[in-house]
Amino acid sequence: SQQGEEDPQALSIQEGENATMNCSYKTSINNLQWYRQNSGRGLVHLILIRSNEREKHSGRLRVTLDTSKKSSSLLITASRAADTASYFCATDEEGAQKLVFGQGTRLTINP
Amino acid sequence: GAVVSQHPSRVICKSGTSVKIECRSLDFQATTMFWYRQFPKQSLMLMATSNEGSKATYEQGVEKDKFLINHASLTLSTLTVTSAHPEDSSFYICSASPGGLKTQYFGPGTRLLVL
Repeated sequence: SQQGEEDPQALSIQEGENATMNCSYKTSINNLQWYRQNSGRGLVHLILIRSNEREKHSGRLRVTLDTSKKSSSLLITASRAADTASYFCATDEEGAQKLVFGQGTRLTINP
Repeated sequence: GAVVSQHPSRVICKSGTSVKIECRSLDFQATTMFWYRQFPKQSLMLMATSNEGSKATYEQGVEKDKFLINHASLTLSTLTVTSAHPEDSSFYICSASPGGLKTQYFGPGTRLLVL
């Protein structure tokens, strides 16, 4: 079952602006991951944040995790046209041997 | 980095035929491989988890007799869609893990169109 809820479902911004996507989940997790998928392609792993971490950075990416609210956010700063893609969060649930993906956010960066 | 390939990248077949999709880990041994299905503009839905040398574990609602999974070696898993129907048309993605869910590498996907 898909436990991740992402919002917004679609986001369109101008190049150079920041993009924020949110993900909520329902159960206890070991970690949460964010992936990018270009149209018709496979997934690219972006970043993993463990349940005992609150914030993590990687280049222009900033991920936060609030386990009390069971939510995470992905911030892409200084967006570029090449950032246009769908972004998915995926949770590694405690006791489960699988990733559960959110519904995804379709991000469009307008030049 | 770890590379996972899928073959074919896209396939068109007639209704009633069977289609085999291969997933290979090219530079690491994958103890576990996962098969997902993705419909247009939707998320990935896990179909099954396969461990090398053992039977696959299917998610609820996925017919194991229709979607045959074989993980015969540490670098190859196959998904066979038997007696394919138009509703099986989808994007099938595999992922491979050398151990532990934290590291899961995804293939480029296979687009299946059943006419």
